[in-house]
Amino acid sequence: AIQMTQSPSSLSASVGDRVTITCRASQGIRNDLGWYQQKPGKAPKLLIYAASSLQSGVPSRFSGSGSGTDFTLTISSLQPEDFATYYCLQDYNYPQTFGQGTKVEIK
Amino acid sequence: EVQLVESGGGLVKPGGSLRLSCAASGFTFSSYSMNWVRQAPGKGLEWVSSISSSSSYIYYADSVKGRFTISRDNAKNSLYLQMNSLRAEDTAVYYCARDILAPADYWGQGTLVTVSS
Repeated sequence: AIQMTQSPSSLSASVGDRVTITCRASQGIRNDLGWYQQKPGKAPKLLIYAASSLQSGVPSRFSGSGSGTDFTLTISSLQPEDFATYYCLQDYNYPQTFGQGTKVEIK
Repeated sequence: EVQLVESGGGLVKPGGSLRLSCAASGFTFSSYSMNWVRQAPGKGLEWVSSISSSSSYIYYADSVKGRFTISRDNAKNSLYLQMNSLRAEDTAVYYCARDILAPADYWGQGTLVTVSS
């Protein structure tokens, strides 16, 4: 199975900060990766698919980049509603695998 | 309005069985692949199983292969997960999700399965 290594596992940031989360695949996965946001007690919400495509309705401060093995989720200016846990997921092949998650907390 | 409503969760003893259901509405269920994803308490997300729109293709995580069976009934707009030989480590919220990592991505609110004696 492809392993997805996500970093950091947590970070503290302030409103307005630029935040970057990375995900590294154990083998090349083209651009078959997406990013989810999850808030406590809620289902995950898709932010980015195909590495860089913004899901409908998601604010443009979220962006994704990368291909092959290295991927990045960037929040250009962190907003209060962005404090949550973020996960990457690869769908290059089965079993699909998630990263371990990154918890974004208020500094 | 798109809706996915999971049911069937609850408390079960180790070695027991449980069948989860996901009732879909508000879209053409038979046109989409469907998935089960779980999340153990305080832990990350784990993909469990996927089934294609016509049930032609089915996939499982290694952790559940041979114990869990995914199925669907397009006439009833329903997705199922038959879980046998349950273990403590299967304790989790189980989410039903449509077409994950695609523009049509949509998740239910989940149902809690607790495996404990």
